[in-house]
Amino acid sequence: GAGVSQSPSNKVTEKGKDVELRCDPISGHTALYWYRQRLGQGLEFLIYFQGNSAPDKSGLPSDRFSAERTGESVSTLTIQRTQQEDSAVYLCASRVDFSSYEQYFGPGTRLTVT
Amino acid sequence: RKEVEQDPGPFNVPEGATVAFNCTYSNSASQSFFWYRQDCRKEPKLLMSVYSSGNEDGRFTAQLNRASQYISLLIRDSKLSDSATYLCVVIGLSGTYKYIFGTGTRLKVLA
Repeated sequence: GAGVSQSPSNKVTEKGKDVELRCDPISGHTALYWYRQRLGQGLEFLIYFQGNSAPDKSGLPSDRFSAERTGESVSTLTIQRTQQEDSAVYLCASRVDFSSYEQYFGPGTRLTVT
Repeated sequence: RKEVEQDPGPFNVPEGATVAFNCTYSNSASQSFFWYRQDCRKEPKLLMSVYSSGNEDGRFTAQLNRASQYISLLIRDSKLSDSATYLCVVIGLSGTYKYIFGTGTRLKVLA
């Protein structure tokens, strides 16, 4: 079946512009995660959605970052007034439900802020 | 102190060698542990879960030492295709599903 998809695959933007990144999880997966991975670094947790519960936003680095998820489907991560330090790969992952810990990752969106 | 720490490497080993990585975690209440593999410019993929009793999957063996708060990954008979970055992942607290990733250990298997 289809895996996690993300769009765009690459995004180059000017400092100060807003960007919106999209994630389509695996159908039926109730949990969805966003991570940031800077070059040569590990994955940094940003936000976690589980069903209709309030999301865990504890990893969002500033109020310029926000994310939404419609039901148990697509999610968008929005970065306002982008800064050069926002340049990274943004990875989305989904997990079926509480019966499994396995996350399935999308290919990521490579964001470059010039 | 970082919540999850790994030696970044790289570990350069010849084909056929045995190599082991350790990962330490700071939260003694951590409940679940995993190893993920990430190939260059690719997304991470689950390699194996780590159980208290230790577990083996072919050439890969994972161990958990709760007393010393570390997990390990042993790769026997290394293949060129094992070259990748190995990420240690910890779930902090029981009932939560927030994954904490280490920065990864890079492995290069040389012909």
